[in-house]
Amino acid sequence: DGGITQSPKYLFRKEGQNVTLSCEQNLNHDAMYWYRQDPGQGLRLIYYSQIVNDFQKGDIAEGYSVSREKKESFPLTVTSAQKNPTAFYLCASKSAGNQPQHFGDGTRLSIL
Amino acid sequence: RKEVEQDPGPFNVPEGATVAFNCTYSNSASQSFFWYRQDCRKEPKLLMSVYSSGNEDGRFTAQLNRASQYISLLIRDSKLSDSATYLCVVNKHSGGYQKVTFGIGTKLQVIP
Repeated sequence: DGGITQSPKYLFRKEGQNVTLSCEQNLNHDAMYWYRQDPGQGLRLIYYSQIVNDFQKGDIAEGYSVSREKKESFPLTVTSAQKNPTAFYLCASKSAGNQPQHFGDGTRLSIL
Repeated sequence: RKEVEQDPGPFNVPEGATVAFNCTYSNSASQSFFWYRQDCRKEPKLLMSVYSSGNEDGRFTAQLNRASQYISLLIRDSKLSDSATYLCVVNKHSGGYQKVTFGIGTKLQVIP
């Protein structure tokens, strides 16, 4: 089945540690996105990528990094510089044009 | 002014009621519009696209009013299972990229 796979579902980070969240899609979508959602809040855009080897900062990029070496993959690294990383992280992708985004089922990140 | 505004609610309605949500957007160049549903602690899922001519899917009707810059979602004969947060989404081209903006979401609680 075509879709977006995020892993792991739950992740725990120690102080000073970098962690990487995986996002893979087999929908042949060009654009991919990372969002952060805090409890009771809306989605906030961290990074997005429209094509391979290109990505742009969103509204809250500080403390995060991404890469887009393959069309199918858009991993997000939460660095130690992100002091409040506890949140629900959502990856999305979409095809070109006026098409909707499709979401993975998310990764919940907590601090140990 | 926020690019996309929604009343966060909650809207508490009895089963069988009709409920309507509006979402306003600030940029008249916006091109495509969607409603998503998000259940607690889950990813957003596409509910329906929104067209100027209006579109209906079972008990759900979506409408776009470009002159007044708002989109609406009408739910008839509410079911307990309709309880969720409803997100409106607006897409527009911006500097060669397509920008996707989410509203904060409107929480609906259908009560027996």
